[in-house]
Amino acid sequence: ETGVTQTPRHLVMGMTNKKSLKCEQHLGHNAMYWYKQSAKKPLELMFVYSLEERVENNSVPSRFSPECPNSSHLFLHLHTLQPEDSALYLCASSQGRLASPDTQYFGPGTRLTVL
Amino acid sequence: AQKVTQAQTEISVVEKEDVTLDCVYETRDTTYYLFWYKQPPSGELVFLIRRNSFDEQNEISGRYSWNFQKSTSSFNFTITASQVVDSAVYFCALSAPKGGGADGLTFGKGTHLIIQP
Repeated sequence: ETGVTQTPRHLVMGMTNKKSLKCEQHLGHNAMYWYKQSAKKPLELMFVYSLEERVENNSVPSRFSPECPNSSHLFLHLHTLQPEDSALYLCASSQGRLASPDTQYFGPGTRLTVL
Repeated sequence: AQKVTQAQTEISVVEKEDVTLDCVYETRDTTYYLFWYKQPPSGELVFLIRRNSFDEQNEISGRYSWNFQKSTSSFNFTITASQVVDSAVYFCALSAPKGGGADGLTFGKGTHLIIQP
């Protein structure tokens, strides 16, 4: 068990649906991340939160909306997605750069299919 | 801009053979960190090792060893006496300090390692 959990593990949604992905870390970390892993593409960083503030947004379309209510929880709200958004969405957490060096620990991912 | 290149898309070896996974990186930062992660079929990325740019010592952990060479911007990973359980996708990644208190990782495309019994 890595200490980072993600729910649901699998999600199928239509293009007009609204859904949310949830990530929870039990490691006492201060930073959380969303990554997207598509077939045949490298893992792409989407969002970075440090102490509940968004510190990086990698030109992600607005149909993806992150939320970090506290340092243990991270959400990714999804609406009007496209089929090309189908991917494995991975959450990670780390102590943040106050701890140097910093290491990210990943959850098991949510496999998203957009029909 | 940062970039990580894993030129080997897939490697297949027979059990007990040694295998080396290549990683070449690009960054303009003088301080940076390099990582290797393992992704088994379950999907979760498992942290293997972290190296900072000031420490070029090679590291050995059991059957795993890592060779960091700044002169060639490489951070290669060798598995000695491979086992079927080593079969997975292996990712090399890079991070460099920026503003904001936390830094995302730049990943290579991964190398799919297949160990045949």
